[in-house]
Amino acid sequence: AQKVTQAQTEISVVEKEDVTLDCVYETRDTTYYLFWYKQPPSGELVFLIRRNSFDEQNEISGRYSWNFQKSTSSFNFTITASQVVDSAVYFCALTARPNAGNMLTFGGGTRLMVKP
Amino acid sequence: DTEVTQTPKHLVMGMTNKKSLKCEQHMGHRAMYWYKQKAKKPPELMFVYSYEKLSINESVPSRFSPECPNSSLLNLHLHALQPEDSALYLCASSQDRRQGPYEQYFGPGTRLTVT
Repeated sequence: AQKVTQAQTEISVVEKEDVTLDCVYETRDTTYYLFWYKQPPSGELVFLIRRNSFDEQNEISGRYSWNFQKSTSSFNFTITASQVVDSAVYFCALTARPNAGNMLTFGGGTRLMVKP
Repeated sequence: DTEVTQTPKHLVMGMTNKKSLKCEQHMGHRAMYWYKQKAKKPPELMFVYSYEKLSINESVPSRFSPECPNSSLLNLHLHALQPEDSALYLCASSQDRRQGPYEQYFGPGTRLTVT
């Protein structure tokens, strides 16, 4: 069985603050993949990143960075110098092999509100 | 082009109506998905099509009927829905589902209200 937990249901920050969204996962598979999606108020889920279980290198993309730690089964997401446009619900998701055929297990989501 | 389009954006229907939701992608993806999302919840998978064949049906009531006319199109036919079926219906596509995994690309959704 797979499970993804996003313990923070809502986070509120003021613009330009840094914010970290937590994601903890559970899986018995040794090969698995983790994703982050952003869902702005418009409704569409926007793909942000995919990591596989063999690649623990942290990733940075502009103001976004991801910290993958297998030892703690976590895949946390940090937004540096947050902006109002970052306000959205963020979902962490997991899929594993042998799978499940690309089926995603989503966390409950974290609603981020960035105030001006 | 990583766009998945969905029509209509909003739909209000009575419990006796028949309506259809449409999803289209032109990325050459061979897997397409329907999700249902209630407020403040993550998306729940309903159906998966792989190479235009239904491969997963997550125990969805028969009042929802999916159809995949070709590799670019996915429909969801609705009939005799209940008020609790009101939700955001999201379509997604990915390169494949037999290999990968591949990230799924989502459309903007259809917000459905059943009265």
